[in-house]
Amino acid sequence: DADVTQTPRNRITKTGKRIMLECSQTKGHDRMYWYRQDPGLGLRLIYYSFDVKDINKGEISDGYSVSRQAQAKFSLSLESAIPNQTALYFCATSDYGQGALNGYTFGSGTRLTVV
Amino acid sequence: GENVEQHPSTLSVQEGDSAVIKCTYSDSASNYFPWYKQELGKRPQLIIDIRSNVGEKKDQRIAVTLNKTAKHFSLHITETQPEDSAVYFCAASNTGNQFYFGTGTSLTVIP
Repeated sequence: DADVTQTPRNRITKTGKRIMLECSQTKGHDRMYWYRQDPGLGLRLIYYSFDVKDINKGEISDGYSVSRQAQAKFSLSLESAIPNQTALYFCATSDYGQGALNGYTFGSGTRLTVV
Repeated sequence: GENVEQHPSTLSVQEGDSAVIKCTYSDSASNYFPWYKQELGKRPQLIIDIRSNVGEKKDQRIAVTLNKTAKHFSLHITETQPEDSAVYFCAASNTGNQFYFGTGTSLTVIP
């Protein structure tokens, strides 16, 4: 399923390095999201965007930034990576209909390790 | 915001038995409740959803029930099979801007 593509799939980086995770989609959805997944904590929202000029913070945005380069592209940056940012990161897309948000389509995930 | 709690965190059942996972939510304005299945090393995938104007929805061996008064919803899997083994997440949407997820249930179906 190549509807939502994340790169890289795996990445190991050193503390203090800047790193960018990329997400692109062919679903035609306006809404894009970045989540991180940690064992026992579920999925927590980092940032989301409804269009190119719209960026919104989620519950755990500190230490992260995002860029919506086009309707189909949404990238997540860690300006200065730290070990507790080691996690599995998911991009997701959605649209809105029937008076509610429709279910997400997730990307394949990026496993990030900060050493 | 919205707070979603999910129980149990782990669940083991014998093949052929039923499994039930329960979630509660805090915001009475929430109106859409999807369930996701995440197999090991894979992305979460939507398996069933329910909107607030419906009390129950079925799709073959899986069903979801919603009790708006009590603010809880449940996933029911009947005749479980080994391929049902995965982590299941519930979610709720109130504002229409995002989903709030439960912390997940790791289901193991024992052959």
